[in-house]
Amino acid sequence: AQSVTQLGSHVSVSEGALVLLRCNYSSSVPPYLFWYVQYPNQGLQLLLKYTTGATLVKGINGFEAEFKKSETSFHLTKPSAHMSDAAEYFCAVSGNTGGFKTIFGAGTRLFVKA
Amino acid sequence: KAGVTQTPRYLIKTRGQQVTLSCSPISGHRSVSWYQQTPGQGLQFLFEYFSETQRNKGNFPGRFSGRQFSNSRSEMNVSTLELGDSALYLCASSLQGAVTGELFFGEGSRLTVL
Repeated sequence: AQSVTQLGSHVSVSEGALVLLRCNYSSSVPPYLFWYVQYPNQGLQLLLKYTTGATLVKGINGFEAEFKKSETSFHLTKPSAHMSDAAEYFCAVSGNTGGFKTIFGAGTRLFVKA
Repeated sequence: KAGVTQTPRYLIKTRGQQVTLSCSPISGHRSVSWYQQTPGQGLQFLFEYFSETQRNKGNFPGRFSGRQFSNSRSEMNVSTLELGDSALYLCASSLQGAVTGELFFGEGSRLTVL
């Protein structure tokens, strides 16, 4: 079975500071990993995904994430936070066990202070 | 290219009633997944349909059901509503399926049960 743990339900950073959102997964097979963002009153939007190949994945809006198999982690980073980054971020995992589904973490709400 | 469309966006029901939610996926997408989002439980997988067949189901009671039509539009139904069914119901479509593919989410149907 697959699962996702996001460390920290709330993260607060100052504008211009580094954003680091943590995600650890559990999977018995090579996973597919995703980060999604949700703005208020909207559905989720894909930021980036890892399927195979390069372990450093670049996404939209300056975000990137690194797949570390030895640490079972897929942390999301952005060098410089912008006010518009304030939203809820979800890490997700899927794979070919447990059926055709993507499992989401509990989410981390990012606050950006001026 | 039109996105995922969910109707209705908001609805209020009373306990014991039933509700049907509709989802029109992006043209060409044959996979439709449904999720329940609540503040306490986060995003919980309900089920996925691919080419009119349910491929996987989450851990929800039988009151939650769904179907997919030949044009890939999907509906989910909740019977005998309970207060705890109040949630945002999100539909997501995918070209490749809910394992490797990017999920494209609608804005959701917010259900309030009184």
